[in-house]
Amino acid sequence: GESVGLHLPTLSVQEGDNSIINCAYSNSASDYFIWYKQESGKGPQFIIDIRSNMDKRQGQRVTVLLNKTVKHLSLQIAATQPGDSAVYFCAESSNNFNKFYFGSGTKLNVKP
Amino acid sequence: DTEVTQTPKHLVMGMTNKKSLKCEQHMGHRAMYWYKQKAKKPPELMFVYSYEKLSINESVPSRFSPECPNSSLLNLHLHALQPEDSALYLCASSLRQGPAATEAFFGQGTRLTVV
Repeated sequence: GESVGLHLPTLSVQEGDNSIINCAYSNSASDYFIWYKQESGKGPQFIIDIRSNMDKRQGQRVTVLLNKTVKHLSLQIAATQPGDSAVYFCAESSNNFNKFYFGSGTKLNVKP
Repeated sequence: DTEVTQTPKHLVMGMTNKKSLKCEQHMGHRAMYWYKQKAKKPPELMFVYSYEKLSINESVPSRFSPECPNSSLLNLHLHALQPEDSALYLCASSLRQGPAATEAFFGQGTRLTVV
């Protein structure tokens, strides 16, 4: 599969601060992207998705930004809380196949 | 109901054993997936079923044998595994495969240990 990687393997933030998690992808045919949160001992949990015809999408406390020119994806978490501590994965897919490839993951530590 | 249920949660098996992992969803999803996840690594795609037919096999060894008995159930049959096959096995489902992809929902996984 194509490579989907992350710039920062571990990110530590203070409670209440904003967090930004980055992801680079290399498959130019990818047109659908998802951010997942995985807590210890659990399966990945869907956070937010974005299609390639958009460059920004907002959810509750989360925003995903997509820059297709440089093949870059980011997840912004506002007012980070201890419950946000987890590993975050980006996943990419193309409409033709709907199979999801995951990036290497970023561990987010939220300090109280 | 947005739940994907996997059983068992934990499994220990010998290298000569035969066992099966089970996955169930009742969301009407027609695409189902098996992923393997090693510690501190991302999930790796193994198989994809679309409308109960195997559509993708990511060159998985034949000691892993998937089965989709109906649209709600997905099994993974295990035989003659190696210790390096020890991992978290994740099942996922999505509305459909192909154009207009939608998000995949994951189960909590089966923690497999091969001894």
